[in-house]
Amino acid sequence: KQEVTQIPAALSVPEGENLVLNCSFTDSAIYNLQWFRQDPGKGLTSLLLIQSSQREQTSGRLNASLDKSSGRSTLYIAASQPGDSATYLCAVGGSQGNLIFGKGTKLSVKP
Amino acid sequence: EADIYQTPRYLVIGTGKKITLECSQTMGHDKMYWYQQDPGMELHLIHYSYGVNSTEKGDLSSESTVSRIRTEHFPLTLESARPSHTSQYLCASSVGILSYTFGSGTRLTVV
Repeated sequence: KQEVTQIPAALSVPEGENLVLNCSFTDSAIYNLQWFRQDPGKGLTSLLLIQSSQREQTSGRLNASLDKSSGRSTLYIAASQPGDSATYLCAVGGSQGNLIFGKGTKLSVKP
Repeated sequence: EADIYQTPRYLVIGTGKKITLECSQTMGHDKMYWYQQDPGMELHLIHYSYGVNSTEKGDLSSESTVSRIRTEHFPLTLESARPSHTSQYLCASSVGILSYTFGSGTRLTVV
């Protein structure tokens, strides 16, 4: 059974810092991996999608990498801003399209 | 602008009542999903649908039921609500196994 773990559970950084969020999964037979952002009391916003054949994806200040063989992904956020404060969720996708989520990393960026 | 709509956003209801959580999407996505999320915990898939007249149970056992009579509509029903059903319910849709879009969620409290 696929399990997704995210480390750390919470992170507080000063504005301007570069930071890395980690995600690991137990079964490397995945179709894709996605990073989402969740703001309090709201739904999820898709940030980056990495296909199983890809190594990384970039969008603005965000860069996500995937090492399928070792069951790891990282989300790199450059020059963090207070508006980046949210919970970041990692999810792996199987062949049926269903996603298995980690518990998330709660990020707080202090001005 | 949200393309997937969930109503109500918040619901407080007494034990034993029947409730239906609504979910509609305007994107023509074939796949739709219901996830349940307790505070501080990961999302768990409870139902999904590949298209009209298709419904499947997800990884997490749930006493709720779903229907998919129209492509755009995927309501979730609890015949008799209990306090253990208190949670946030998130609806999502996707094109194949890509391009996930989540609704804002329904926060249900059963008293």
